[in-house]
Amino acid sequence: GAVVSQHPSRVICKSGTSVKIECRSLDFQATTMFWYRQFPKQSLMLMATSNEGSKATYEQGVEKDKFLINHASLTLSTLTVTSAHPEDSSFYICSAGRDWGEDGYTFGSGTRLTVV
Amino acid sequence: AQKVTQAQTEISVVEKEDVTLDCVYETRDTTYYLFWYKQPPSGELVFLIRRNSFDEQNEISGRYSWNFQKSTSSFNFTITASQVVDSAVYFCALSGITGGSQGNLIFGKGTKLSVKP
Repeated sequence: GAVVSQHPSRVICKSGTSVKIECRSLDFQATTMFWYRQFPKQSLMLMATSNEGSKATYEQGVEKDKFLINHASLTLSTLTVTSAHPEDSSFYICSAGRDWGEDGYTFGSGTRLTVV
Repeated sequence: AQKVTQAQTEISVVEKEDVTLDCVYETRDTTYYLFWYKQPPSGELVFLIRRNSFDEQNEISGRYSWNFQKSTSSFNFTITASQVVDSAVYFCALSGITGGSQGNLIFGKGTKLSVKP
């Protein structure tokens, strides 16, 4: 089945630094990937849609200059949290889109970011 | 607007009890997908089911069953003979079917299920 690998699984960084999160589709090509954010004890909210070879589409209220998305190949999308602050501490999870199969949508395992 | 409501924030049951998690959705789309995901404490999302709005047949998979009622816009999930390993947060979600709408999942707030031995 489709596998999406997300790295790192956990990261702690200092306030003001940048953190890069990778999302890879291991056994299929994904022209579209999606980035979600989940604050503690809350639901998942779509942040942005990452399109291979073009600019990402951000949801309302998400700062594109703060959350940089690069989808340079059909198997890799990266989310960089720039100048991180404690309020950016959250669970970030990606998903990859391809032709729909019986298993539905494929999510990565998520990245728990803590900014201190 | 699209919306998914999971009215039950937390449910606690004793092992071997049956439990039903409720999900009500709103959408103006005539075709759509509905999902259930399980999120254990480790955080990953475990896919359980995807249902096309065309298909109103109920589905059973082992101890899991789903009741899709289009007339009431509900997609409820029942776990029969619950086990401690079923303890997790369960999310119901909705998406479109066409093009990019497939990837935009609207999640409910989740129901935290605790199964006690």
